[in-house]
Amino acid sequence: QVQLVQSGAEVRRPGASVRVSCKASGDTFTTYNIHWVRQAPGQGLEWMGLINPRGETKSNPQKFQGRVTMTRDTSTSTIYMDLSSLRSEDTAVYYCATELHLKYYFEYWGQGALVTVSS
Amino acid sequence: EIVLTQSPGTLSLSPGERATLSCRASQNVNIRSLAWYQQTPGQAPRLLIYGASSRATGTPDRFTGSGSGTDFTLTVSRLEPEDFAVYYCQQYDGSAHTFGQGTKLEIK
Repeated sequence: QVQLVQSGAEVRRPGASVRVSCKASGDTFTTYNIHWVRQAPGQGLEWMGLINPRGETKSNPQKFQGRVTMTRDTSTSTIYMDLSSLRSEDTAVYYCATELHLKYYFEYWGQGALVTVSS
Repeated sequence: EIVLTQSPGTLSLSPGERATLSCRASQNVNIRSLAWYQQTPGQAPRLLIYGASSRATGTPDRFTGSGSGTDFTLTVSRLEPEDFAVYYCQQYDGSAHTFGQGTKLEIK
């Protein structure tokens, strides 16, 4: 059974950075691509990027290039998403989700972490 | 980037009725990469359909996905109270994953 447990809610000022974590169970870490998807209040879903089992990353070039960094800690099976230069439009719930290699869909999701950007 | 447009934005139906949700793409979509999700308030999305027509584990058989090319459909044959939610389609075009804007299925 795959489980993804995310860190809690965060509040940041505009211009600051935030780190959201996603702890994976079992062999999730070495089997799945881990994606990040966000959802602004009352809005739809937006793909941010992924980190694969080899630690290689790919991000949504049009929206987040240069502002999002995804890393992992193999010793704790935790994936991190750092978003910098925050603006009010980054206020959203951030989800991590799994994709089995070359399956193109997100099978398991974390519970989400609310990030609020406000002055 | 492939843009997915879902219609209608809101669908008002009664339990027991049939629901038909549409997802139209700006370019041809690899059928293997078309998925549907259900989201209820305060919850993470839940995978319903992958590969355009394959039900995910636990998806009731009243949910059917179909379509190819640029036109895809999610059909719910007989609505149950727990089916009233927001539904999203999603695709991957080799460089980015994109989602439709969602269809809200509400109780009439």
